[in-house]
Amino acid sequence: SQQGEEDPQALSIQEGENATMNCSYKTSINNLQWYRQNSGRGLVHLILIRSNEREKHSGRLRVTLDTSKKSSSLLITASRAADTASYFCATEAQAGTALIFGKGTTLSVSS
Amino acid sequence: GAVVSQHPSWVICKSGTSVKIECRSLDFQATTMFWYRQFPKQSLMLMATSNEGSKATYEQGVEKDKFLINHASLTLSTLTVTSAHPEDSSFYICSVRQGSTEAFFGQGTRLTVV
Repeated sequence: SQQGEEDPQALSIQEGENATMNCSYKTSINNLQWYRQNSGRGLVHLILIRSNEREKHSGRLRVTLDTSKKSSSLLITASRAADTASYFCATEAQAGTALIFGKGTTLSVSS
Repeated sequence: GAVVSQHPSWVICKSGTSVKIECRSLDFQATTMFWYRQFPKQSLMLMATSNEGSKATYEQGVEKDKFLINHASLTLSTLTVTSAHPEDSSFYICSVRQGSTEAFFGQGTRLTVV
């Protein structure tokens, strides 16, 4: 099962620019997480935001959560070529249950 | 964080044969593990939740007799794709979690059925 949509599906930017990815989900959540996946590899956790939080920062990452709109955004500032990857949001409906992933955004950062 | 080891990282098999994929939690005891499948350029689709000492819980549309899951110990879950066919070719990946926190993923297994 999949929770919802992410947009854009693909994003191409230049190094130094900011990248914003959006995620929408359908059901109520306990928390929402963002992951990164380099081509053909496992996933790496980026950031977790709980349902009672509205914004969270980690280094060049900024995540917002709007539970009334059932949406989240991931902002990567001052992007680098090494940020090129696929980014997925994942939601946890109840504590400890399986994460359900969105469709993902493929980010390409050119130097 | 947890370290998850998945083996093999890739496998090619003939149609009709079975393939076993192992997922090991190396540094903590995982009562629950999760199995996902990912087709090219698509997202991860949850297949099943593997529960130590009991039957796995399969998502709707996933054939439990085709995708056999065994979670016999707190550190090992296996996924066996039985009578594999080319449409089963995919990237299979497992994950573990410690409560309501981030998930840790194995490296994934790329299965190609010829």
